[in-house]
Amino acid sequence: DAKTTQPNSMESNEEEPVHLPCNHSTISGTDYIHWYRQLPSQGPEYVIHGLTSNVNNRMASLAIAEDRKSSTLILHRATLRDAAVYYCILRGQTDSWGKFQFGAGTQVVVTP
Amino acid sequence: SQTIHQWPATLVQPVGSPLSLECTVEGTSNPNLYWYRQAAGRGLQLLFYSVGIGQISSEVPQNLSASRPQDRQFILSSKKLLLSDSGFYLCAWSLLQGLNRPLHFGNGTRLTVT
Repeated sequence: DAKTTQPNSMESNEEEPVHLPCNHSTISGTDYIHWYRQLPSQGPEYVIHGLTSNVNNRMASLAIAEDRKSSTLILHRATLRDAAVYYCILRGQTDSWGKFQFGAGTQVVVTP
Repeated sequence: SQTIHQWPATLVQPVGSPLSLECTVEGTSNPNLYWYRQAAGRGLQLLFYSVGIGQISSEVPQNLSASRPQDRQFILSSKKLLLSDSGFYLCAWSLLQGLNRPLHFGNGTRLTVT
């Protein structure tokens, strides 16, 4: 399975943008990049996903490098409710049975 | 719309007792189903996944087992719990077809083995 690497933690001030990096140097051409976040004592929730082009939705933006070996999740204006663990994972045809493998993620701390 | 139900929300069980956690999905057919476990302060560990009734694949050898008696029902069981089984158990589903299909999680069961 293709692996991802994320920083352990990041801090941001409220109402400032947050850029969360993810490295996936062994990504294959058919792997989708998915992002999830987990608030304390809750199950993870889907944030965004993409294949090659940058993606935007109401929660965040996903910027994918041209060589697809890295991506960045962008929270445009951090709020206290964005404090969570953010997971970057790959899902592709090499993953038998369609399974999702989560790494340790990035703990985002938002300071008022 | 699709929903996922997981119960109970919290559970305290003594060592050596049996376990049964249930998860059901509504509003979709033939989903992929998953059981994850999260120890305190740790990441998510995939335990089992299933692509159909009676089809279970295990990721980590342990004293837990899973069953899928119906299309949208996924059960996690143990005959004898260990202290190390404590954790936050999460059920999730995704559509079988399409690599761009996201994963949807339940609210989890917090299990404490005493």
